[in-house]
Amino acid sequence: SQQGEEDPQALSIQEGENATMNCSYKTSINNLQWYRQNSGRGLVHLILIRSNEREKHSGRLRVTLDTSKKSSSLLITASRAADTASYFCATDAGGGGTSYGKLTFGQGTILTVHP
Amino acid sequence: DGGITQSPKYLFRKEGQNVTLSCEQNLNHDAMYWYRQDPGQGLRLIYYSQIVNDFQKGDIAEGYSVSREKKESFPLTVTSAQKNPTAFYLCATSTSGNTYEQYFGPGTRLTVT
Repeated sequence: SQQGEEDPQALSIQEGENATMNCSYKTSINNLQWYRQNSGRGLVHLILIRSNEREKHSGRLRVTLDTSKKSSSLLITASRAADTASYFCATDAGGGGTSYGKLTFGQGTILTVHP
Repeated sequence: DGGITQSPKYLFRKEGQNVTLSCEQNLNHDAMYWYRQDPGQGLRLIYYSQIVNDFQKGDIAEGYSVSREKKESFPLTVTSAQKNPTAFYLCATSTSGNTYEQYFGPGTRLTVT
């Protein structure tokens, strides 16, 4: 079953605008990660936020985490055409034994940035 | 994609044939993973391995098999028992430790007709 549900499924904006994507999840987590995927390629890790953190920044990326609402958001500021890609959230539910390191991915948001 | 090799990039097979997808890494990572991605969908975990000679089923293991005889290699066999094998297959690795950022290979697109 999918732990993460992302919203919106698709987002179309103009260059220079901000893009916000949301992710909701169902069970408690150790950390939440965001990945980017260009069409037909592998995923690239963008940022990780731990369950005891509320906000994290990396360059033009800002991630928030609200564990009480079981949700996270990814903000890309001053978007560029090169940001066009699919963005996925992934949750690490923690736990020991064979669940160690296992991520559950959402279905993704397709972002299109028009020049 | 650096450090993880998946070959070939495109693979075509006839229905009823088994096919093995290769995944090799030189990152010295302990854990390796296989995911399946269908068009417009997220990733679903097939199998994963945290250490050599050990692996666990993921959410959709039926019709697939793996081996982990070497740290660097984690091949995935798509058997004829997999009812809908056409998909994009992604291999990933991660270190063992507190966090589990995963590193992905470029993927293999398998088409079965």
